[in-house]
Amino acid sequence: QVQLQESGPGLLKPSETLSLTCTVSGGSVSSGSYYWSWIRQPPGKGLEWIGYIYYSGSTNYNPSLKSRVTISLDTSKNQFSLKLSSVTAADTAVYYCARDSGPFDPWGQGTLVTVSS
Amino acid sequence: DIQMTQSPSSLSASVGDRIIITCRASQGISNALAWYQQKPGKAPKLLLYSASTLDSGVPSRFSGSGSGTDYTLTISSLEPEDLATYYCQQYYSTPRTFGLGTKVEIK
Repeated sequence: QVQLQESGPGLLKPSETLSLTCTVSGGSVSSGSYYWSWIRQPPGKGLEWIGYIYYSGSTNYNPSLKSRVTISLDTSKNQFSLKLSSVTAADTAVYYCARDSGPFDPWGQGTLVTVSS
Repeated sequence: DIQMTQSPSSLSASVGDRIIITCRASQGISNALAWYQQKPGKAPKLLLYSASTLDSGVPSRFSGSGSGTDYTLTISSLEPEDLATYYCQQYYSTPRTFGLGTKVEIK
């Protein structure tokens, strides 16, 4: 079955750029049947959709983050990635990647990113 | 953006109880609604989509209903393993948005 795994640095300083990668196994990011999304969850809080990418490379971002977000695709490695620039403490969260057909399923296990000086 | 209002924010119930969680969208979403279960320290897990379709492997005590702007998640007979926070999510339009969650505790 399809599995997703996030990877990337867990600690950043304010103003740095967050960079995470999601590796997909058991399925292909080149499938035209799905989008590939990033979602985040601040500690003790709810879920926020960040954006998605389609196999064609087209993207759709949450307007609340659009000015700072870039999602990209690497079909050769079956991965997709998230970059979030100019991070602040408010960007501290568990970041999840997920396969997106409207509903999100499955999800990666999540990776905690902490922004602190 | 479509706002999703979930209630209650928390509830405490006994094993065997029937519980209902509601989710109201700020505009009609044509049943483009999913429900998730998130256990502590874990990623959310899809329970239902299209408002009422049970995802594969999800116990039949979970059910969903609704239309237009108003939707419900029902657990017909609460089990100890249902301790979790439940979220609704609309996918009628982007940005995809979630309710704030309902934390279910076992008495």
